[in-house]
Amino acid sequence: DAGVIQSPRHEVTEMGQEVTLRCKPISGHNSLFWYRQTMMRGLELLIYFNNNVPIDDSGMPEDRFSAKMPNASFSTLKIQPSEPRDSAVYFCASSPTGGVREQYFGPGTRLTVT
Amino acid sequence: KNEVEQSPQNLTAQEGEFITINCSYSVGISALHWLQQHPGGGIVSLFMLSSGKKKHGRLIATINIQEKHSSLHITASHPRDSAVYICAARPQDSNYQLIWGAGTKLIIKP
Repeated sequence: DAGVIQSPRHEVTEMGQEVTLRCKPISGHNSLFWYRQTMMRGLELLIYFNNNVPIDDSGMPEDRFSAKMPNASFSTLKIQPSEPRDSAVYFCASSPTGGVREQYFGPGTRLTVT
Repeated sequence: KNEVEQSPQNLTAQEGEFITINCSYSVGISALHWLQQHPGGGIVSLFMLSSGKKKHGRLIATINIQEKHSSLHITASHPRDSAVYICAARPQDSNYQLIWGAGTKLIIKP
């Protein structure tokens, strides 16, 4: 299996621009997580999908952030408009049978907002 | 006080040494995860355990539910073990949430 796929791997953008991060989970996994990692706050859960339905989006920082999962093999995390404080590494992870098993992480997207 | 605490924060050792990283938690949990984050940034799940001990190669993870403590051991450490090791606890009242430790940065010198 190819593992969790994320794109782009690196993104540099200017403040105010829209940013879209993409994730393809492992085939057959029905749970998908978006995390943000910063030096100050470590790993934070942004949103959790189960069977393509958002279950917990309480970690989404504000209305500038949105996430979708239109089907079992694709999810997006969008930031509009982006701000310098959004600079971080964004990880997507997937897991079989809900969150009770190990989570498999993608390589991450390093986002820099200038 | 964080609900999941790791020690030490940083650890430097010589190749071949036996390594122990500790994780203490203050909440009731249903499972504890150990993950490894490579210098390049990728995160890999090493173990998920809810009792006893698990072993994979040179890595051993143990958990003591009564004492709310888990340890990750590395035997015959090697420079390629250099990474950040993170423990994360799944609370009893959730089937997906993880409470993350701050990580232990391990450097193994040749």
